[in-house]
Amino acid sequence: GQQLNQSPQSMFIQEGEDVSMNCTSSSIFNTWLWYKQDPGEGPVLLIALYKAGELTSNGRLTAQFGITRKDSFLNISASIPSDVGIYFCAGPNQAGTALIFGKGTTLSVSS
Amino acid sequence: EAGVAQSPRYKIIEKRQSVAFWCNPISGHATLYWYQQILGQGPKLLIQFQNNGVVDDSQLPKDRFSAERLKGVDSTLKIQPAKLEDSAVYLCASSLGLAQTYEQYFGPGTRLTVT
Repeated sequence: GQQLNQSPQSMFIQEGEDVSMNCTSSSIFNTWLWYKQDPGEGPVLLIALYKAGELTSNGRLTAQFGITRKDSFLNISASIPSDVGIYFCAGPNQAGTALIFGKGTTLSVSS
Repeated sequence: EAGVAQSPRYKIIEKRQSVAFWCNPISGHATLYWYQQILGQGPKLLIQFQNNGVVDDSQLPKDRFSAERLKGVDSTLKIQPAKLEDSAVYLCASSLGLAQTYEQYFGPGTRLTVT
């Protein structure tokens, strides 16, 4: 079945550093989504990617839809303490009616 | 605009007991989703409604889980009887419609602990 593999599983960085994480799949996806989940809250959509090769930014966040349509990358520049949380990639299920999620990358930022 | 509301926020029960969770989606959102998020994992879809009809319940353990959205607005998810492995956060999400499934808004979740 469809699976999304995220790496790294966790990251510990200093405030001000840039961060890069990725999501891969053995299946082709036509849409890639990146969510962030703060402790005790539900996931919040950060960036949506709809086209292979697309590069989209949201403030200090930049995400790319891989050319092969089997991967996506999320970069965070100049990290700040409020970037702490779990970052999930997601894509549509085979029916295209709901989302499947990766296991997440946990980001910790020390000031 | 009010977000997705869920209650309770926390629940602790013993195995074999029953429990119910409630969700009120964003006003006007036709599609409602229930996800299960086990610690260390991403959310996994349990059931999806379009208005008051079920779109997908293929991953709902129907021997113990049930869900309804009778009037096409609020929804309840029930577990009866609960097992230890049901300990998880239960997330409710909504979207305007099936065409907007990529723009889901999540509630804060209900953290269930089964002892």
